[in-house]
Amino acid sequence: QVQLVESGGGVVQPGRSLRLSCGTSGFNFSSYAMHWVRQAPGKGLEWVAIIWYDGSEAYSADSVKGRFTISRDNSKDTLFLQMNSLRAEDTAVYYCARDLAARRTYFFDSWGQGTLVTVSS
Amino acid sequence: DIQMTQSPSSLSASVGDRVTITCQASQDITSYLNWYQQKPGKAPKLLIYDASNLETGVPSRFSGSGSGTHFTFTISSLQPEDIATYYCQQYDNVPPRVTFGPGTKVDIK
Repeated sequence: QVQLVESGGGVVQPGRSLRLSCGTSGFNFSSYAMHWVRQAPGKGLEWVAIIWYDGSEAYSADSVKGRFTISRDNSKDTLFLQMNSLRAEDTAVYYCARDLAARRTYFFDSWGQGTLVTVSS
Repeated sequence: DIQMTQSPSSLSASVGDRVTITCQASQDITSYLNWYQQKPGKAPKLLIYDASNLETGVPSRFSGSGSGTHFTFTISSLQPEDIATYYCQQYDNVPPRVTFGPGTKVDIK
């Protein structure tokens, strides 16, 4: 059974940093591209970033480029999102999601339950 | 960047009704279009991939069609458990990019 469990969310002041984790089980983590997708309160879904199955390539949305970094540790079946210079508009539930593909994006076939990040002074 | 629009933004229908949602892309995306269902407080769930392919385990009352810039998602007979927000999502790989539509909230009348 595929499982993705996000952690690391919380309340953080503007300009500070936070690191999210996504622990996985039930599948061969190192064979899949992985994503972060976020959803601001009461709003729609926004794609954040993707990383290839082996971590060799990563891409992010313009809204977070230069501030957020996606990474993975295949030895620990874990995905990360390092978020720096946080802004109020980064407040959202952050989901990790598995892509069907390994080194491209196709569709998200499994999602975690999400972790809430609140950026506020 | 490719922009996605959805209509309507919300709808209310009776149990058993046929429900149709449209999704429009700002440029040709061939069939690189997926549909997700999100119930309140839950993560999204994949329903349709590549415009018209039903994900395994998804009831056959859900269907999708279209190509290019215009796509349609249909629930053939609305059920109470279908109350949710539905999102279209396009994908691109040069470079990898994903864009969601703004969503359509479906309620029971």
